[in-house]
Amino acid sequence: AQTVTQSQPEMSVQEAETVTLSCTYDTSESDYYLFWYKQPPSRQMILVIRQEAYKQQNATENRFSVNFQKAAKSFSLKISDSQLGDAAMYFCAYRSATSGTYKYIFGTGTRLKVLA
Amino acid sequence: EPEVTQTPSHQVTQMGQEVILRCVPISNHLYFYWYRQILGQKVEFLVSFYNNEISEKSEIFDDQFSVERPDGSNFTLKIRSTKLEDSAMYFCASSEALRAFFGQGTRLTVV
Repeated sequence: AQTVTQSQPEMSVQEAETVTLSCTYDTSESDYYLFWYKQPPSRQMILVIRQEAYKQQNATENRFSVNFQKAAKSFSLKISDSQLGDAAMYFCAYRSATSGTYKYIFGTGTRLKVLA
Repeated sequence: EPEVTQTPSHQVTQMGQEVILRCVPISNHLYFYWYRQILGQKVEFLVSFYNNEISEKSEIFDDQFSVERPDGSNFTLKIRSTKLEDSAMYFCASSEALRAFFGQGTRLTVV
């Protein structure tokens, strides 16, 4: 079974600085998708960024980028120029692309605090 | 941006009572999910629904739980006889192939 691990329960970053959130996963599959979701205090989860495993190029969305290391099964999120609105819980998630299961498997989350 | 809508936002129920949590997924999506989150902790998978039937369910999703699409648009989660440990935030999600959209959740409190 696939698992997703986020080893940092909480992180802090100074406004305008850069922070990296870690995520590792375990799977025997070769084709899958990885996601970072943000859950602000309003509690609705919002997609931040997505990576297809077959793509070698790391995904980027404005100030958000990932470092996808397929062999190491690592998928970290880098937030550049951090803003107060980035404060939230961040969840890493995995979804198979081939096994016929459609569920998203989430890590335990990292709470990001942004300091003014 | 399209939204998944959940009602009610908060429900308080007595232990042993039945509750129905409602969700309106995004209209052209084919995959639907229920997740729960206890005390802001891990987001746990309950069930996925595709082509009008359950495609997968977790160990949590026992006989006390059921899901339906009663009218082809709404997607409901029923808990037949609630327990104290069912208190959690319940999230509905719908998905196209590569992106899941989550609702704002229903906070269920069992007393």
